[in-house]
Amino acid sequence: NFMLTQPHSVSESPGKTVTISCTGSSGSIASNYVQWYQQRPGSAPTTVIYEDDQRPSGVPDRFSGSIDSSSNSASLTISGLKTEDEADYYCQSYDGNNWVFGGGTKLTVL
Amino acid sequence: EVQLVESGGGLVQPGGSLRLSCVASAFTVSGNYMSWVRRAPGKGLEWVSVIYSGGSTYYADSVKGRFTISRDNSKNTLYLQMNSLRAEDTAVYYCARVRTVTNWFDPWGQGTLVTVSS
Repeated sequence: NFMLTQPHSVSESPGKTVTISCTGSSGSIASNYVQWYQQRPGSAPTTVIYEDDQRPSGVPDRFSGSIDSSSNSASLTISGLKTEDEADYYCQSYDGNNWVFGGGTKLTVL
Repeated sequence: EVQLVESGGGLVQPGGSLRLSCVASAFTVSGNYMSWVRRAPGKGLEWVSVIYSGGSTYYADSVKGRFTISRDNSKNTLYLQMNSLRAEDTAVYYCARVRTVTNWFDPWGQGTLVTVSS
């Protein structure tokens, strides 16, 4: 079964840049789009990146997504970190009638 | 406004049943792919089930044979019938519309908590 692997946690200071990785277990991660969701405690997930690198309206351009086929991974980069960015982040893709989430990365901004 | 509102969560004993509902606004459940996703305490998001606009249904292995996804077009409502519940089914359950072709979730409902405990 296809799996996505993320680091359990990352931390960085306000104003800095952080990158969260999402590595596919097999095949090509580029075969299906990758999305990124932000989930704050007590709230539903919201989309920050869809279709690899697209931002929904209302998501600041501090958030960007990319795909690296050579490492079979996707990345979410957040620049100019703010304390409000502290949350859990999940990558997600699709594998034939099965939707797959990464294990999630807890971002701490301190 | 495009919106999803879940209900039906609660406390149920192991082996029991529960039915979750999800009412959609500003779009039709029947014309879209609709899904359930859950998050157990201390764990990450897990896809549970999908119903396609044509009516086909699919399930995660962890719930196959115990959960049933369905919809009522007249009520514009999505359901998740959960039988033979286990402690490991304890989670917040979210309904979400699936964007077809690109297969991502938008929007999400606010979630409903299911607790399986004696």
